Amino acid sequence: EPEVTQTPSHQVTQMGQEVILRCVPISNHLYFYWYRQILGQKVEFLVSFYNNEISEKSEIFDDQFSVERPDGSNFTLKIRSTKLEDSAMYFCASSRLAGVKDTQYFGPGTRLTVL
Amino acid sequence: DAKTTQPPSMDCAEGRAANLPCNHSTISGNEYVYWYRQIHSQGPQYIIHGLKNNETNEMASLIITEDRKSSTLILPHATLRDTAVYYCIVSPPKHSGSARQLTFGSGTQLTVLP
Repeated sequence: EPEVTQTPSHQVTQMGQEVILRCVPISNHLYFYWYRQILGQKVEFLVSFYNNEISEKSEIFDDQFSVERPDGSNFTLKIRSTKLEDSAMYFCASSRLAGVKDTQYFGPGTRLTVL
Repeated sequence: DAKTTQPPSMDCAEGRAANLPCNHSTISGNEYVYWYRQIHSQGPQYIIHGLKNNETNEMASLIITEDRKSSTLILPHATLRDTAVYYCIVSPPKHSGSARQLTFGSGTQLTVLP
């Protein structure tokens, strides 16, 4: 069964450094998402992406964040200058369709630790 | 999106049916009920969704009341691997071309006991 993959599984970085989290969505999916979950807290939406542009973004997704689909398979989340409070699990998701049919399939997550 | 209310935790004996309730009294006519689960910090996993008719798939059944103000997710024969946090999410469908965010609440921690 096709699945969303994410790399790395765990990323440790120093505060102020840039990080890029990578995702390979399911191959025939057109819609892509990033969510995050701070330890012990709810899963929070960050951004959705379709047709090479951002569809929606939350208040969390400020100028420090950016997303890109650099080729036909990868979807990346970049954090320009990490803060301690960026430490969280980051989940990528993809869906084939939008609207009621857009079941989102999530990857296993990348645990980001900012020191 | 309409707010949902779920009990924070439930236990269920292995092999028995697990019935997880969700209240969504402010749901509007075009909003769907989705269920996802998250097993110990893994990525959320889609289970089922519905509008007003009851739905069944290989994982679970979804029973939505006639007034649509509440629903119940049923895992017919719970196993230890079903121990997870279960999220009930209400969300409107959007027009084609618009990716819809999911708004997760705190969910119900279901513990399946041996």
